[in-house]
Amino acid sequence: GQNIDQPTEMTATEGAIVQINCTYQTSGFNGLFWYQQHAGEAPTFLSYNVLDGLEEKGRFSSFLSRSKGYSYLLLKELQMKDSASYLCAVRDFPGGYQKVTFGTGTKLQVIP
Amino acid sequence: GAVVSQHPSWVICKSGTSVKIECRSLDFQATTMFWYRQFPKQSLMLMATSNEGSKATYEQGVEKDKFLINHASLTLSTLTVTSAHPEDSSFYICSARDQVVRRDGGDEQFFGPGTRLTVL
Repeated sequence: GQNIDQPTEMTATEGAIVQINCTYQTSGFNGLFWYQQHAGEAPTFLSYNVLDGLEEKGRFSSFLSRSKGYSYLLLKELQMKDSASYLCAVRDFPGGYQKVTFGTGTKLQVIP
Repeated sequence: GAVVSQHPSWVICKSGTSVKIECRSLDFQATTMFWYRQFPKQSLMLMATSNEGSKATYEQGVEKDKFLINHASLTLSTLTVTSAHPEDSSFYICSARDQVVRRDGGDEQFFGPGTRLTVL
């Protein structure tokens, strides 16, 4: 099975930078996703990493280290609308079929 | 990006009745769709993987006779909650895997807007 850990809650100031960490343990790793989820809504895709390194997309960047089982999501120039839960999800192939498992999510509150 | 729809967006039903939720990929074909359940303040829990033209693969602890999944076409999967009870009240979300080929060989799954089920 998988074990995915991320902080439960974080608070950051508008305009600042925040880093949300995710550690995982799995066999047959085949990619890590970050999603944003506002309360009462479905998740929206933010980023995908399968190779080590940094993927940048505008104000959002995601980093992966497969040897360390570690990823982070970096949000720059925080805006109030970035207040949401951020879900780390890991894909692997248990028993020969593809499966994506989600972490419990990090609730980010952006304050003025 | 790819669009996935779900219907209905919310439903209230009496205990003991069955409820069907539809998941459609609107502008792409999805050989694989996933059904998740999310209880308040918890993360998404995968219930089952739905493959077009074959039986769904259920996660441990999910009753296949209670949560019937049918993936009859490349754009439609349905989840039927049979004999629903109050403890089945939850936010049900489907996702569909797009077969877009990325430079690193990965692909992405796109989520529907979710269906909020309340069983009285």
